[in-house]
Order: sequence, then C-alpha cells, then structure tokens
Amino acid sequence: SFVLTQPPSVSVAPGKTARITCGGSNIGGKSVHWYQRKSGQAPVVVFYSDPDRPSGIPERFSVSNSGNTATLTISRVEAGDEADFYCQVWDSGDDNVVFGGGTKLTVL
Amino acid sequence: QLHLQESGPGLVKPSETLSLTCTVSGGSILTPYYWGWIRQPPGKGLEWIGSIYYSGITYYNQSLKSRVTISVDTSKMHFSVNLRSVTAADTAIYYCARQHQGVAARPSWFDPWGQGIVVTVSS
Repeated sequence: SFVLTQPPSVSVAPGKTARITCGGSNIGGKSVHWYQRKSGQAPVVVFYSDPDRPSGIPERFSVSNSGNTATLTISRVEAGDEADFYCQVWDSGDDNVVFGGGTKLTVL
Repeated sequence: QLHLQESGPGLVKPSETLSLTCTVSGGSILTPYYWGWIRQPPGKGLEWIGSIYYSGITYYNQSLKSRVTISVDTSKMHFSVNLRSVTAADTAIYYCARQHQGVAARPSWFDPWGQGIVVTVSS
C-alpha cells in the first residue's frame, strides 16, 4: 500500500519560511492535496491537485511536487498559521485515500 | 454555502455497531461528488474510512472494509456510516466531508468538512 511520510513537527520563527514535506514513492506523478487543521477545528483544504489554492488561502502558501517529495511552503509565517498539516493522495493501485501522518507547525 | 453536520451517539459499547449520519444542507447531495467519512483517533492523524458516490458506488479503506458500510439516502439528503464490532481503537473524532472527483472520476480531495463528532467506545 502507498505510504506518505511527513515530519512530525516543524518549528519556525514569525516572519520566516516554513517547509513541510510529504514523501512517497514517485509522488511527483500524483495529485497531492494539503489540509490545515487548527486546534479544535475541522480540517480545511489549503491546496488541491497540487497547484490549486482555494479562495481565501493566502498567497504566502505555495506547493511543489517532484520526484519522491511534495512540499508545502509557508512564507512570512504568522502566529495564526500554527496548526497540523496533512498531505493526501488517491492511491489508484489500491483504490484508497491515503493521508500522511501529519506535521505540527509551531510558530516560536 | 454547503454545510455538513455529523450526528449520532457519542458513546458506543465494545462489540456493538457505531452508526453516524451526515446531513447535507445548502446544496444537493445529488451532484457529481463523492461523500466521505474520515476519523482522527486521539493523538493520531487522519484516517480515511470510505466514500460513496451519490449513485451508490463505494470505496472503502482496505483495513476497515470488513466492518464498514456506507450508504446514501438522497431523499433525506444524508449519508451514513456503520462500523461493526467496535473496540476502544475506534474511539475518534469522526468527520464527514464532500469529496471532489479527480483523475478518471476517482475520489480526490475533501472540501468542505463537517465539524466532527467525538465517539468514544467504552463499556
């Protein structure tokens, strides 16, 4: 079965850049979706099908996907960005939705 | 704006069946989307349970497939999940969400999500 690997935590100072990776075999050939889950709230999609950003998501958020790694980059990090982030793909081999284990973003 | 709301018991006894319903409002369930269930156990990440197309086509997490049934009632604008023979490991926040179609009309990303419902399995 397809596995997505994320670092458990990323810490960054306000105003700096945070990079959250999502590793998977040839993930560059898949559409990757990203979710942000703030404490006590439901997840919200911040990117779908890699480059598509829903309205309301700041342009400070961007993504890249190549080879075995997809990356969510958050520029000029703010305290309000603190949350758990999850990547997700559809695994056509097993007809399964697969989530990464999640990354806790801490703003120092 | 589409809104999803989970409902059901917050406490289920071990070995019994967990039954939850997701009511869709602000839009129709009879649209070309999937409707999915996802859960998050305490201290853990998101786990997909399964998804159903409005026509009734279903996809299930292989690890839960033997215990899960998802159904849709288009007349009542809701879809449901039944999880049989539950144990403490099934304790989680359960979310429902609309799931968009991706490549080859397969399930893709989830948006929007319901607020979630906490379900505890305990005697």
